[in-house]
Amino acid sequence: EAGVAQSPRYKIIEKRQSVAFWCNPISGHATLYWYQQILGQGPKLLIQFQNNGVVDDSQLPKDRFSAERLKGVDSTLKIQPAKLEDSAVYLCASALELAGPGELFFGEGSRLTVL
Amino acid sequence: ELKVEQNPLFLSMQEGKNYTIYCNYSTTSDRLYWYRQDPGKSLESLFVLLSNGAVKQEGRLMASLDTKARLSTLHITAAVHDLSATYFCALYSDEKLTFGTGTRLTIIP
Repeated sequence: EAGVAQSPRYKIIEKRQSVAFWCNPISGHATLYWYQQILGQGPKLLIQFQNNGVVDDSQLPKDRFSAERLKGVDSTLKIQPAKLEDSAVYLCASALELAGPGELFFGEGSRLTVL
Repeated sequence: ELKVEQNPLFLSMQEGKNYTIYCNYSTTSDRLYWYRQDPGKSLESLFVLLSNGAVKQEGRLMASLDTKARLSTLHITAAVHDLSATYFCALYSDEKLTFGTGTRLTIIP
């Protein structure tokens, strides 16, 4: 079974530039998450989708971050304009369903460096 | 605000020794996860604990959940070098997963 795919793996940009990350979840997984992991910290949830609807985006900095999950499969996370403090690994995860007892499966992550 | 706290944050232990990582949380939940993360890698699921008193074991690792005390533990038995990693607990509550601060474990020969 293929895992959660993310791209690009690494991205270096200057502040005020924009960047987009892509995630393809495990086939059939209805729930998709984007997490931000700053070096030395635990992952922090940015946004959670159930199919193509947003379940929780309370911790997403909406003035600069946006995310979408068209057709309930792939998802894109965008940052515009980037700030130095956005340097982090952006992890995508998927789960079979929202309320079930199953676990989350994480992708390899996209490492962003903002200079 | 939900808090998930782990201790210790850093742990160096000798091979062959036993130790326990603690995960305390601030709200009611009966679903807790443990993950492992190697440097530069993503998170690998270790255990899913789904009820009070749940205990799961895999190799030298054993996890337990006490929902009344709002505490989960990850016990390491006779540590070996390849257990060196960062370990996270994560609590499922309000339809989202909140991660702890992480415990960086280093096993010294």
